[in-house]
Amino acid sequence: GENVEQHPSTLSVQEGDSAVIKCTYSDSASNYFPWYKQELGKRPQLIIDIRSNVGEKKDQRIAVTLNKTAKHFSLHITETQPEDSAVYFCAASSGGATNKLIFGTGTLLAVQP
Amino acid sequence: DAGVIQSPRHEVTEMGQEVTLRCKPISGHNSLFWYRQTMMRGLELLIYFNNNVPIDDSGMPEDRFSAKMPNASFSTLKIQPSEPRDSAVYFCASSSDGLLYEQYFGPGTRLTVT
Repeated sequence: GENVEQHPSTLSVQEGDSAVIKCTYSDSASNYFPWYKQELGKRPQLIIDIRSNVGEKKDQRIAVTLNKTAKHFSLHITETQPEDSAVYFCAASSGGATNKLIFGTGTLLAVQP
Repeated sequence: DAGVIQSPRHEVTEMGQEVTLRCKPISGHNSLFWYRQTMMRGLELLIYFNNNVPIDDSGMPEDRFSAKMPNASFSTLKIQPSEPRDSAVYFCASSSDGLLYEQYFGPGTRLTVT
């Protein structure tokens, strides 16, 4: 079955710096890759996603890149702000006839003011 | 749009008691997912329904857990009997086949079993 690995598990950056979180997946049939942000005590919220027919997608300060050959995708946050501090999860669709998502283990991002 | 609604938001119960968690998906969504989140195990998919039919329950930990979806706007996750190791945050999420895979989470139910 699909397996998603996420790195790093924790990331600390200075305000204004960039942050990059990387994920790899195993199922070549996966074609949808979302990223969720979860603040402490809150629900995971979808912040950006990419489908396999696109290599890069950007939304203001966040961007996601996808390399299907290498089976990895990354989240890039530029000009980080303290409110970006949260746990970020990547996920990949499981492929096949279902619409399950397989989630990574999460990255705790701390933006130091 | 009210989003995914879950109740209760917090539940404290004693070991051995029955617990029922409830979820109302976003109107028009036809897939519903139950997840469990703990520090040790992260976000785990327990079961998922499509058009009210259970599609994949391979994540249900054991027979003490059961889930139902009697109609398109309501689902329950039941634990009977509950155990301390069931303490976690339980999330419900929903999605639409028209927006394939985009899942939206409810606020979660924090369950504590003493």
